[in-house]
Amino acid sequence: DAKTTQPNSMESNEEEPVHLPCNHSTISGTDYIHWYRQLPSQGPEYVIHGLTSNVNNRMASLAIAEDRKSSTLILHRATLRDAAVYYCTSYSGAGSYQLTFGKGTKLSVIP
Amino acid sequence: DTEVTQTPKHLVMGMTNKKSLKCEQHMGHRAMYWYKQKAKKPPELMFVYSYEKLSINESVPSRFSPECPNSSLLNLHLHALQPEDSALYLCASSSRSSSPYNEQFFGPGTRLTVL
Repeated sequence: DAKTTQPNSMESNEEEPVHLPCNHSTISGTDYIHWYRQLPSQGPEYVIHGLTSNVNNRMASLAIAEDRKSSTLILHRATLRDAAVYYCTSYSGAGSYQLTFGKGTKLSVIP
Repeated sequence: DTEVTQTPKHLVMGMTNKKSLKCEQHMGHRAMYWYKQKAKKPPELMFVYSYEKLSINESVPSRFSPECPNSSLLNLHLHALQPEDSALYLCASSSRSSSPYNEQFFGPGTRLTVL
């Protein structure tokens, strides 16, 4: 069963920041949060990951709540190329880690 | 080269056919994965290979048979499939499966239709 829950869809205006929420109240203390996105007709693409503290990379920022029950993926300036399904996933296991995908949020970017 | 390639892109097969899906990566990754993705659903893990050995099988029916002939190649052999097996089959790789912070690189998938 998915350990993460996300809104089905969100809209953003182009060049505006986007905050994509994810609830993961049932993950364990050692489960990493990974975000992937899937553009139409492509395989998923890694975006960012974190465990407890906030993380930044060239694509996005990840803000993780102190209690680790939720996190937010932040795209600082949405472009039309960011229109995709964004998956919040938990990365867990012992010995062999595996991704458990949430249902995803379909992000539409309005020009 | 950060690419995972999959062949074929599309496959149509009958329920009595035997076919294979192929996945290749040249990033030196030692973990490779098969996922199944139905339309408008998230990917679901099927198999994990770590150092060419099967480490996770998510209770997948035996009509799906994975094979990892070497560290760069991953095959999925298909036989006696059912129409409900029609889906996008995604291959992925990561440097190791024993680390929770390695990103997975996904291929574009094989779109399978079972008639």
